[in-house]
Amino acid sequence: AQSVTQLGSHVSVSEGALVLLRCNYSSSVPPYLFWYVQYPNQGLQLLLKYTSAATLVKGINGFEAEFKKSETSFHLTKPSAHMSDAAEYFCAVSDNTNAGKSTFGDGTTLTVKP
Amino acid sequence: SQTIHQWPATLVQPVGSPLSLECTVEGTSNPNLYWYRQAAGRGLQLLFYSVGIGQISSEVPQNLSASRPQDRQFILSSKKLLLSDSGFYLCAWGGTKPSPLHFGNGTRLTVT
Repeated sequence: AQSVTQLGSHVSVSEGALVLLRCNYSSSVPPYLFWYVQYPNQGLQLLLKYTSAATLVKGINGFEAEFKKSETSFHLTKPSAHMSDAAEYFCAVSDNTNAGKSTFGDGTTLTVKP
Repeated sequence: SQTIHQWPATLVQPVGSPLSLECTVEGTSNPNLYWYRQAAGRGLQLLFYSVGIGQISSEVPQNLSASRPQDRQFILSSKKLLLSDSGFYLCAWGGTKPSPLHFGNGTRLTVT
C-alpha cells in the first residue's frame, strides 16, 4: 500500500521568502511522485513529477522538488514566494500498475503575506 | 491538445433525489478515468476508476455508482442522495503509468 503525508496543513510566508512544503511518502515499490496546485473552486493542476529520472525535478512557476529515497521525502520548494502562489498544494504518489491510481496527501494551504 | 469537461459546476439537491454527474475527455483515446471526492480541508478520496469501456472499479463502498458508456465519457450516479454525499467531486484522466492526472474543474454538490 502507498501513502503520502504532508507535514503542516497551513504554511504562511512573506512575499519574496523561501517556500518549503513537506511531503513524505510510503511505497513498497519505486514511487512515482507528483505535486499539484489547486486554486479555489478549481481542479488540480500538475506542478511537477518525479518518475525515477533526475532526483531534482523542476516544475512550472519556479517550483522544484527533490526526491530523497533515504528520507522517503519529496519536498516542494520555491526560492521566492509571489502573491499568486497562494493556493492549496497536494503531494501524490502513483502506483505502477496500468490503473495508475494516485493517493493524495491532505494538502497544504500556502498563504503569502505582502 | 487534450481537454476534460465536467458539469455542472455547482449543484444543490435534496436528500433522496437522484444524481448524475458527467465528465468527458477530448483529444486522447482509451484514457484511464477517475472520480475523486474532496471534503473540506481534506485530501482527495478516490471513489471509482476505469481502465476501459464498461470496466469500473470501486474503491470505497458507498451510496454512489459509476459508469463508462463510451471511451471518453465517465458518469457518477446515485439513486438516492444522502447528506454525507455533499462535497467537491473531481473527474480526472490519466495515461498508462507513470502518468500525472489531468483534472476537470469539479462539481460542488450540496445535499440539503
